[in-house]
Amino acid sequence: SYELTQPPSVSVSPGQSARITCSGDALPRQFTSWYQQKPGQAPVLVMHKDSERPSGIPERFSGSTSGTTVTLTISGVQAEDEADYYCQSADSSGSWVFGGGTKLTVL
Amino acid sequence: EVQLVPSGAEVKKPGATVKISCKVSGSTFTDYYMHWVLQAPGKGLEWMGLVDPEDGETLCAETFQGRVSITADTSTDTAYMELSSLRSEDTAVYYCAMGTRHAADYWGQGTLVTVSS
Repeated sequence: SYELTQPPSVSVSPGQSARITCSGDALPRQFTSWYQQKPGQAPVLVMHKDSERPSGIPERFSGSTSGTTVTLTISGVQAEDEADYYCQSADSSGSWVFGGGTKLTVL
Repeated sequence: EVQLVPSGAEVKKPGATVKISCKVSGSTFTDYYMHWVLQAPGKGLEWMGLVDPEDGETLCAETFQGRVSITADTSTDTAYMELSSLRSEDTAVYYCAMGTRHAADYWGQGTLVTVSS
């Protein structure tokens, strides 16, 4: 079955940039979305169509793609950005797949 | 304001069937797909499937085919997810999430389903 691979954890100091990657063979052919999930809360969409930011999401969140890897970048990380982040895309049938999630720690 | 209101927590025995709901308000129900996503305790997100409320078209993850039924009632703007042959590994929070074929813009707060003998 199709898989998306994320690093389990990323740590950054406040004000630095955090880059969270998501790798998958079909990513060049399918849109990727990113979700932020804080403990005890439902996920929140922070990026869709690879690099489009939904309304209400701070400009410090950005998305980019390169081949089979998609990257969520958070510039000028703030303490409130500490959360789990999940990438999501689809296989050739349109079935969604989530990455395993990345825990972002703000030191 | 778009709201997705899930049904309450459920406790089921192994082998049983659970049916949970998600009522939508503040949006045109048929304008979006409804996805169902589960999260087992301490684990990541797992997609179960989707329904297009406009025509009832469904698509389900291979993992759940044969066990899951996803439906939408346009008379009450409510989506349903029914999971059968429950086992302990199905213990999870089940989220409804509304959006496009590519992304889920709006999420409910989730329904906890506990499977225990």
